[in-house]
Amino acid sequence: GDSVTQMEGPVTLSEEAFLTINCTYTATGYPSLFWYVQYPGEGLQLLLKATKADDKGSNKGFEATYRKETTSFHLEKGSVQVSDSAVYFCALISGGYNKLIFGAGTRLAVHP
Amino acid sequence: DADVTQTPRNRITKTGKRIMLECSQTKGHDRMYWYRQDPGLGLRLIYYSFDVKDINKGEISDGYSVSRQAQAKFSLSLESAIPNQTALYFCATSDSTGLGTDTQYFGPGTRLTVL
Repeated sequence: GDSVTQMEGPVTLSEEAFLTINCTYTATGYPSLFWYVQYPGEGLQLLLKATKADDKGSNKGFEATYRKETTSFHLEKGSVQVSDSAVYFCALISGGYNKLIFGAGTRLAVHP
Repeated sequence: DADVTQTPRNRITKTGKRIMLECSQTKGHDRMYWYRQDPGLGLRLIYYSFDVKDINKGEISDGYSVSRQAQAKFSLSLESAIPNQTALYFCATSDSTGLGTDTQYFGPGTRLTVL
């Protein structure tokens, strides 16, 4: 079945460091890919998405490119801030039923 | 006001008790979902509903039931709670374009502890 694998955390960085969180997927057909973020004590919210190969999603300085050849959707940010500390989930939807399949989540801690 | 609300936010109960978690939304979406979150496992789908008369099991529906009382309300019940149902539960909604790209909007979660 469809699945998402993302790098284990926690990831600990200093402010202004470069961030990469790896995400790879297995799916039949052509899934849509998402990154959701969960700030402490809150529900998940969409960070960015891409719906077809080579699309780049971007938001709040974060970017991810849909790479069909490597089945990857890695999340990047050039300069992280303390306020980016959260849990990041990679997810996919395959087929028309809008059922999200999530990775295990990666906790990011950014220190001043 | 939040678009997706969940009540209660925290609940501690005992094994064997019946408990209901409630979700309401003001986004006007037809589709609603219940997930549970466990450390290291991400979120897993329990049930989903595409409209008031359409309810479907997700990947981990055993031990749970749901009720879609109206477009805006979707409740999750644990008929006889057990300790391994201790988790963080999220409700979500989405629009219904049918394109498989719709954003899901999540509530703040209910932290349930079963003793």
